[in-house]
Amino acid sequence: SQQGEEDPQALSIQEGENATMNCSYKTSINNLQWYRQNSGRGLVHLILIRSNEREKHSGRLRVTLDTSKKSSSLLITASRAADTASYFCATTEYGNKLVFGAGTILRVKS
Amino acid sequence: EAGVTQFPSHSVIEKGQTVTLRCDPISGHDNLYWYRRVMGKEIKFLLHFVKESKQDESGMPNNRFLAERTGGTYSTLKVQPAELEDSGVYFCASSQGGSYGYTFGSGTRLTVV
Repeated sequence: SQQGEEDPQALSIQEGENATMNCSYKTSINNLQWYRQNSGRGLVHLILIRSNEREKHSGRLRVTLDTSKKSSSLLITASRAADTASYFCATTEYGNKLVFGAGTILRVKS
Repeated sequence: EAGVTQFPSHSVIEKGQTVTLRCDPISGHDNLYWYRRVMGKEIKFLLHFVKESKQDESGMPNNRFLAERTGGTYSTLKVQPAELEDSGVYFCASSQGGSYGYTFGSGTRLTVV
């Protein structure tokens, strides 16, 4: 089943602006994670939020989770050119396998 | 500690050839996963090893793909024969399991021409 569908599909902003990406999922979750993929290469784990948490911060990242709406958002504040990447949310299914969405392509222009 | 290592980092092969991707997980991680992102689409699960056993291979697209994990250490993913639609980035991840998170490797970019 398709989980973790992100929107927007692509986002282009100026350096210094904030970027917000949203994710929706279909089934009950234990946690939701956000990952970044730079230049078509490896996945980097950004942040994990558990189902009993509503908001979590890590540096310039802020993640919210609304289990009633089955949605999450990732906010990157004061964006930098180096934040240019694809961002994915992922939920965990049986066996701890991750189910990813299609991702949001973020481009930060300097 | 060393992270998850994948190689090659990039492979270009012709349609019909065979390619073998390798993943070395973090030492002591029993769980090893393979994922791939094809044609810029979503990242999809391929299979999950617990030690040397295949726990879940429901994501393997067809019998051209063969994964092994010798002795519960490193894993290989062989594509034989490769097709154009196999092009993409193949990710490997390992974890201790339970509530512990994943660590992903840097991926192998496979290009089939």
